[in-house]
Order: sequence, then C-alpha cells, then structure tokens
Amino acid sequence: NAGVTQTPKFQVLKTGQSMTLQCAQDMNHEYMSWYRQDPGMGLRLIHYSVGAGITDQGEVPNGYNVSRSTTEDFPLRLLSAAPSQTSVYFCASSRWTISYNSPLHFGNGTRLTVT
Amino acid sequence: GQQVMQIPQYQHVQEGEDFTTYCNSSTTLSNIQWYKQRPGGHPVFLIQLVKSGEVKKQKRLTFQFGEAKKNSSLHITATQTTDVGTYFCADATNKLIFGTGTLLAVQP
Repeated sequence: NAGVTQTPKFQVLKTGQSMTLQCAQDMNHEYMSWYRQDPGMGLRLIHYSVGAGITDQGEVPNGYNVSRSTTEDFPLRLLSAAPSQTSVYFCASSRWTISYNSPLHFGNGTRLTVT
Repeated sequence: GQQVMQIPQYQHVQEGEDFTTYCNSSTTLSNIQWYKQRPGGHPVFLIQLVKSGEVKKQKRLTFQFGEAKKNSSLHITATQTTDVGTYFCADATNKLIFGTGTLLAVQP
C-alpha cells in the first residue's frame, strides 16, 4: 500500500495563479482532510470530508475549495493564490467514526510558495 | 482561534534529561491523540487517550489524560537524540484539531 500520496512535493506560484494540490489514499478511508502548517501555528484544519460527496469547512477554509467525488481522492484547490497561502500542506486520512477517534495517516506534504 | 494550547512551545534538553509537554483545553475533550513530527517529516500517530485519568506508556513515553478531560501530558524519560521533533496533541472531540506543538531539541 502506498498510503497517502500527495503531489506535487514543491510548488511556486505567483499571486493570482490557481492550482490544485492532489491527494490520494489507497486504504479505503472514509475520512480525509487538509491541514496547513506554519511556524508557531501548528497544524490548522482547512477542509475535511467524511465520505464521497460530503465536505465541510475546518478552521481556516477561506481561499480554498475541495471536492470529494471518489473515496480515494481529495484535491485542494487554490483559486487565486495569495502570499498568505505560503505554507506546507498536509493531506491526511483515517477510518471515520462518529467520534473522530481513528488515527490520522499523513501524506509527505506539499511545500507551496506564493510570490 | 486555537482551542487546544500546548506548552512549552520549545524545549531544549541535554540527552538523558526528562521532558514534558502539556496540552490544555478550555472545554472537555472526548478523546485526545498525540503525534510526533520529525524535522522535515510528516506527523505520525503515537497514541490515543479516551478515559478520564488514563495513563498509557510506550517504552520511555508516558501519556496522561486529566481527570476532568481538559488536559493531557506527554512525558519522556531519559531523552535520546532520536526523540528530536515536534510533539502535537490533537482534540478528537469534533473533527481533529491540533495543538500548536512543542519542538524538542536534544543535545548529545
């Protein structure tokens, strides 16, 4: 099993450009989520999904869109990149239970720089 | 804002010294998870605590969940250089919300 696969590993964008961060998992996990990590801020939840066709906002959703058309994939879209979105992005998945008590499996991250 | 606070933000120890990081919430947690992130890596799940007053051990690591389920701690006995990294707690009550993390540096 590959686990959680994120692409690309690195990306540089100019302000106003759009792009999609890809995330795929092969563990048949219902729950998938996106976090951003900034120095001193820990991991902040952007969006999450408890199954195909279902998405919801996390702590810092503004500027990001997500969709979940399949169980395996959970792409994160930046419609108009801003320098404030420079960060390391992690995708994570887990089995879903109503109490969110399954361990998260993380991808290796995408380092995004917006100039 | 951040619902789960961790202290300290940074800790530097000599190898062999003990280390503790604390996780505090203003609300009652249903369960809490702990993760470790090595420098340049991704977070890796360590353990989950569910019961009030629960204590779990993994070799030199001891995890505690407070009686009121509003705080938790991770204690490492006799740190080693392999313990270097950032330790996060995560509130798994409603979605998974991470604390700010504690960066541990271990000097050989």
